[in-house]
Amino acid sequence: ETGVTQTPRHLVMGMTNKKSLKCEQHLGHNAMYWYKQSAKKPLELMFVYNFKEQTENNSVPSRFSPECPNSSHLFLHLHTLQPEDSALYLCASSQDGLGALHFGNGTRLTVT
Amino acid sequence: GNSVTQMEGPVTLSEEAFLTINCTYTATGYPSLFWYVQYPGEGLQLLLKATKADDKGSNKGFEATYRKETTSFHLEKGSVQVSDSAVYFCALSRSGGSNYKLTFGKGTLLTVNP
Repeated sequence: ETGVTQTPRHLVMGMTNKKSLKCEQHLGHNAMYWYKQSAKKPLELMFVYNFKEQTENNSVPSRFSPECPNSSHLFLHLHTLQPEDSALYLCASSQDGLGALHFGNGTRLTVT
Repeated sequence: GNSVTQMEGPVTLSEEAFLTINCTYTATGYPSLFWYVQYPGEGLQLLLKATKADDKGSNKGFEATYRKETTSFHLEKGSVQVSDSAVYFCALSRSGGSNYKLTFGKGTLLTVNP
């Protein structure tokens, strides 16, 4: 148990579907993140939320839409994705300062 | 900008062999340095960290020393086990220590055979 829970673990969707990824943390952290992990590429930071406010959007296409209703929950809404969006999507949380990032186990997304 | 370069994998070792995974970085200011590990089917976990020059981070038999003069943070373990098979990521945070901008290397896959 990592303290950061992501659902679903696996998701297959067509390019016209709309789906959402969910992340929940029980660590009392104030910051939450979405990362994209693709084969043979460094982890890509997508979004950062600090105290529910978005503080970072790393030029992510609008077909990815994050939502952070409170400090414990983070969503990533997906619509009209492309096959190249297939990847492992990792959620993480942290407390301010030099604390470690705590990652969930990820959602393996396949876009067909 | 900040960047991290780590040795290409995969690395394959026999149990009890010595491990080194090289990591060098480019950064302005004084970044903090990290090693994360990702076991199959899981997310990343912090393995160790160092926050200033000459600091040595250590955990589970792994060590890495923050070398400012060579801008390096190489990961070492004296005797690897099959259970150490995983992907290892070197990372740095921007000066000031905020985790909001961690820069990761591409990862090095380690396989340890019995």
